[in-house]
Amino acid sequence: NAGVTQTPKFQVLKTGQSMTLQCAQDMNHNSMYWYRQDPGMGLRLIYYSASEGTTDKGEVPNGYNVSRLNKREFSLRLESAAPSQTSVYFCASSWGQGRGPGNTIYFGEGSWLTVV
Amino acid sequence: DQQVKQNSPSLSVQEGRISILNCDYTNSMFDYFLWYKKYPAEGPTFLISISSIKDKNEDGRFTVFLNKSAKHLSLHIVPSQPGDSAVYFCAGQGGSEKLVFGKGTKLTVNP
Repeated sequence: NAGVTQTPKFQVLKTGQSMTLQCAQDMNHNSMYWYRQDPGMGLRLIYYSASEGTTDKGEVPNGYNVSRLNKREFSLRLESAAPSQTSVYFCASSWGQGRGPGNTIYFGEGSWLTVV
Repeated sequence: DQQVKQNSPSLSVQEGRISILNCDYTNSMFDYFLWYKKYPAEGPTFLISISSIKDKNEDGRFTVFLNKSAKHLSLHIVPSQPGDSAVYFCAGQGGSEKLVFGKGTKLTVNP
C-alpha cells in the first residue's frame, strides 16, 4: 500500500539548473498538492490540482510550474533553481477539496532539495 | 499575516504525563481544524480533526478541544509516550481557503 510516492528523495542542484519532482498516488484521489516546508515555517502550499486537468496557484507559486499528467501523477518543475528554493518538498493528495474526514490530505515522505 | 499560530516551538513532557499543544487562529471563516504529526524524514500524517460544530473530539489518547470564541484549539495527549515525540502541526480550513498550517510544535516525551 504505497499511498503517495515522490521522487527523488534527495537532490542537489546548482543555481540555474532545472529539475522535476515526480509524484504519484495510488488511492484514486482527485486532488493533489505540492507543499514546501522550511525551518521554522509551516507547510506552505505551492500549487494544487483540484482534479485531473486543472491546476491552481497556492500561497508560494513563484519559480515553480506543475503538470497534472493524469489522475495519478502530479509533477513539480523548477525551471531555474535558486538558493531560496532549498527546502523539503511534500506531495499530497485527497479525495476532494471539501472539508471533513472524507477529504483528509495524505502526504508523501518528502524530497530534500538543496540549491547551491 | 499568519492565520494559524502555534506560539510554542517546542514542548517537553515526562512519559505518562499529559501533553497539551496549543494553536490559535485568526481567520473567522475557518470551520474545520486538523492536527498532523510529523516524524523526522517522514511526511506529515493525519492525527485528529474537529468541526466547528463541536467543541471536543476524542480518539484514544488524543483529544482536540475547540474554543470558537477565543479562536483557540488544543491537542491533549494522555498519557504521553516516547513514541509521541514528533512535530505537531495545527491546520485550519474554511470558506474558500485551502488548508492553512501553523509552524509546528516539537514535542519531546522523556522516558
